[in-house]
Amino acid sequence: GAVVSQHPSWVICKSGTSVKIECRSLDFQATTMFWYRQFPKQSLMLMATSNEGSKATYEQGVEKDKFLINHASLTLSTLTVTSAHPEDSSFYICSARVVGTGELFFGEGSRLTVL
Amino acid sequence: AQTVTQSQPEMSVQEAETVTLSCTYDTSENNYYLFWYKQPPSRQMILVIRQEAYKQQNATENRFSVNFQKAAKSFSLKISDSQLGDTAMYFCAFMEHTGNQFYFGTGTSLTVIP
Repeated sequence: GAVVSQHPSWVICKSGTSVKIECRSLDFQATTMFWYRQFPKQSLMLMATSNEGSKATYEQGVEKDKFLINHASLTLSTLTVTSAHPEDSSFYICSARVVGTGELFFGEGSRLTVL
Repeated sequence: AQTVTQSQPEMSVQEAETVTLSCTYDTSENNYYLFWYKQPPSRQMILVIRQEAYKQQNATENRFSVNFQKAAKSFSLKISDSQLGDTAMYFCAFMEHTGNQFYFGTGTSLTVIP
């Protein structure tokens, strides 16, 4: 099946620094990618919908200046957590939708720990 | 935003038995997709089954089948012949046909008991 690669799988950073997470569709084109945040034992919370070549659509309550999303190509979307703080520590997951279909594939997730 | 509700936070089933996980959703759309995903401890999301709203026939994938009731906005998952490897979190999910929004339910933790 289709593969979505997410990198890095885990990252530890100091408070105040910025962290970039990449989401790549390896063998298909994805005009739409989704970014989620998941706390332990909870569901995936949709943060934003990323459309290739246009600005991301953020869910209510998600700070767009805090969580910068760029979707510059049909195979790559990035999430940058700016000026990270310990409360930003979480598991971040991306998913990519195959163009013109209802098929969706998920990355392996990225665990962010902010010290 | 659409809402997806899973009313069973935890469930358990004996190995080889059948279990049904519930899911309801709220939407004003007529055409959409519904999914069940499995998330094992590795946290990798695994697609279990997918249903397109315009199809009346319930989707099936081996031991997994759904009962899709469009008018009632209900989408339950039946797991037959439960196996130990089925132990995981199960999430029901909804996506608009345009694919611009994708929402998950709160999840059901399923434990298969040997």
